Order: sequence, then C-alpha cells, then structure tokens
Amino acid sequence: SQTIHQWPATLVQPVGSPLSLECTVEGTSNPNLYWYRQAAGRGLQLLFYSVGIGQISSEVPQNLSASRPQDRQFILSSKKLLLSDSGFYLCAWIRGDGNEQFFGPGTRLTVL
Amino acid sequence: AQKVTQAQTEISVVEKEDVTLDCVYETRDTTYYLFWYKQPPSGELVFLIRRNSFDEQNEISGRYSWNFQKSTSSFNFTITASQVVDSAVYFCALASGTYKYIFGTGTRLKVLA
Repeated sequence: SQTIHQWPATLVQPVGSPLSLECTVEGTSNPNLYWYRQAAGRGLQLLFYSVGIGQISSEVPQNLSASRPQDRQFILSSKKLLLSDSGFYLCAWIRGDGNEQFFGPGTRLTVL
Repeated sequence: AQKVTQAQTEISVVEKEDVTLDCVYETRDTTYYLFWYKQPPSGELVFLIRRNSFDEQNEISGRYSWNFQKSTSSFNFTITASQVVDSAVYFCALASGTYKYIFGTGTRLKVLA
C-alpha cells in the first residue's frame, strides 16, 4: 500500500532562518506531487507541483522554492523565512489509477 | 477561470441532526472531477469522494451522501444523523485537464453533544 510521510511534524524557526521540509511517498512510482500551505483558519493554497524528477511548477511567487531530487521525494525550501510563512504545510500525491489526491500528515511551521 | 465556493464558513448542529454542506463550482471544461475532503483537528486531509463530470448519479455511503447537479454547478454533501466525530473542516475541490486542484475555503462543522 502507498503511504506518504512528511517531516518534521512541527517546526519553530526565527525570521530570516532557512527552511527545509521533506515529503516522501512509498509504494508507488512517478507520482504527481504537490505542496500546499494552509494559513490558520484558511483554505489550501497550492504552492508547487511536480510531474517528475526535476520538474517543478510554481503557483505563487514568493521566497519559497521546491525541488524533486528523486522520484518519490519532494522538498520545500526557503533561504530566509518571513513571518508570513507561518502555516500548515501539506504534501499530496496522486494515485496512478485515479486522480484523487492523498495528503500527508502535514508540518506545522511557526516563524517567530 | 476555475473556482470553488463554499459559502458556509461555519455550521453548528446538535448531534443527530442532518446537515448539508454546500459547494458551488465554476469551470469551462467539459471533463472535470469534484472531490470532498475532511480535515479533522489533527490536520491531515482525508479523502471522502470523487465524482467525474459525466456521472451525476448521487452517492450514499453510510451516513454520508452527495448530490451532484451539473445544472446548478453544485456538489453538496449531506451528513445524516450527525455525530460529534463528524466535527471537522470539510473541503470541496475541483480538478480538470491540468494538474492543478482548486480547493474551496472550507466549511467548519461543529456537532454539539
């Protein structure tokens, strides 16, 4: 069966510090991968999606970036965090025989 | 442009009441998919249902039912005999030919004992 992992689960970082969030999927190959951000009490904002290794599409220009170094690994990064980067970050993937997204457990980021 | 509207920000019901969560979508595509997800307090989104644009048949799964009407561009979700465990934020989403998924802003459901 397929599973999706995210770490860390929670993170508290000072403004201006770097960020690296990791997402990995097990039990499937060549998934489409997605990064979303959910601000407190808000909906989901699509940040990046990837259809393959090294292929990244950005939805929102900001100080975040994404990379896909391996087929089932998706990384969200920042060189310098802003207060507005605080939120709940969710990684998702699409199953090969359908197009419903399955979500990871999320990372709760607080920037102070 | 594609859009999903969940006009109900928050709904409170008493346990055992029925409740309907509304979802209205906009798209120019003829082939598209609609979804409902549940986000409990733990935060992880749980997939509930997917419908494609060619299948307007309503679906029932236990206490959950979904009403898809293309004529009104709506995909409403009804919980029958609500329970406290149904308390969560519910998201409606739309996907079509692109790889992008459009989510509504969510409806927070509170079921009171």
